[in-house]
Formats: sequence, C-alpha cells, structure tokens
Amino acid sequence: EAGVAQSPRYKIIEKRQSVAFWCNPISGHATLYWYQQILGQGPKLLIQFQNNGVVDDSQLPKDRFSAERLKGVDSTLKIQPAKLEDSAVYLCASSLDGTPGEFGPGTRLTVT
Amino acid sequence: GDSVTQMEGPVTLSEEAFLTINCTYTATGYPSLFWYVQYPGEGLQLLLKATKADDKGSNKGFEATYRKETTSFHLEKGSVQVSDSAVYFCAPPNSGNTPLVFGKGTRLSVIA
Repeated sequence: EAGVAQSPRYKIIEKRQSVAFWCNPISGHATLYWYQQILGQGPKLLIQFQNNGVVDDSQLPKDRFSAERLKGVDSTLKIQPAKLEDSAVYLCASSLDGTPGEFGPGTRLTVT
Repeated sequence: GDSVTQMEGPVTLSEEAFLTINCTYTATGYPSLFWYVQYPGEGLQLLLKATKADDKGSNKGFEATYRKETTSFHLEKGSVQVSDSAVYFCAPPNSGNTPLVFGKGTRLSVIA
C-alpha cells in the first residue's frame, strides 16, 4: 500500500513570502494531521482533520497559518507571511483508528 | 495536564547490546501510550502502543509494558542492531488517541 505522500520535499523562501505544502494521505484514512518539527525537537501538532472537518487546531498560529482538506482526502497547509521561526520540517500523518501511525517524509522549509 | 518524561540521549550501544529507554508519564484516567521511531531522513512511524494497564506493546523486537503502578512505559530490546539507530519518541498520554506534543526524543546510535 502506498504511504503518505507530501510535496515538495524541500522549500527555501525569504521571510514574508508565502508557501504551501501538500499532503495525500493513505487511501481510506479519515483522519489527517499536520505536525511541525523544529530541528532537535519533537513534532508539534498544528491541526487535525476528521474527513474534511477540523477536530483540533488549538496550536495552529491562525494569523499566518491556514489549512484545508477539501473533499476529505488531500490537504494543503499554507503559511503567509512566513517568519524565520517557521523553519522546520512539516509532517503530515494519517490514521484509520485515531492514532497517527503513518507519517509522510515531510517538507523541510527554510526561511531566510 | 498529561505529560511524559523521557530519558535524554544520546545513547550509544554496541550491536547486540540490551536497550532500555525510560519513559514515565502523568495522566488522569487510563490513556493509551505510544512509542514512535524516526529513522534518519524519514518521517515518524508508530513503533508500538498499549491501550490499557499491563498491556505489552511489541514490534520489530521492541517491547514496552504499560505499568500503572509505576506510571512507566519503558522501551526495551534484547539485542539491538545497527539498523535500530534512530530517534525514539515516547508520546504523552491522550485519551483521544492523538499525541499532541512529543518530547525531544532519545537518539540511539548502534555501532558494529
């Protein structure tokens, strides 16, 4: 079975620019998560979707971050405008039973 | 709130050595507990989980027992291999089955 797909794998942007990441979860997985992993730290949940509805976005910096999951399948995460401290790996995960078990390879964002 | 305390690394072991990575938790109720692994250059993977007290999760030779009396969920493997070199994360308890915040993890290096 194909795993969680993410693109791009790497992105370098200047501060104040905008950027978008894409995630395609495992087929049939209703729950989708976006995590931010800063170098040397563990992942931090940004947002959790159940189908196309938001379950938890309490740690999403809503002044600059947004995410959507149209049709309950693919998802995009956007940052606008980016700050230096947004440099991190953005991980997407999906789940069938409510436990994030399968993570994508991540998108490494560098903000200069 | 619910949290975990995980042994800090890095941990360096010789091949075939015994591994223990300590993890203790504080929680209300009886949440599920998880260990995740992140191999170099890859995304996170759910390694094992336990859903109730005295449960033993196991996978790839790794085991962890959910011990309510000591509030611990230590990760063990009897004989590590070079391919086990990775960062291991004990995920905090969450009754909703969604780890929200991971710790820094424990980096394990196994040398031949």
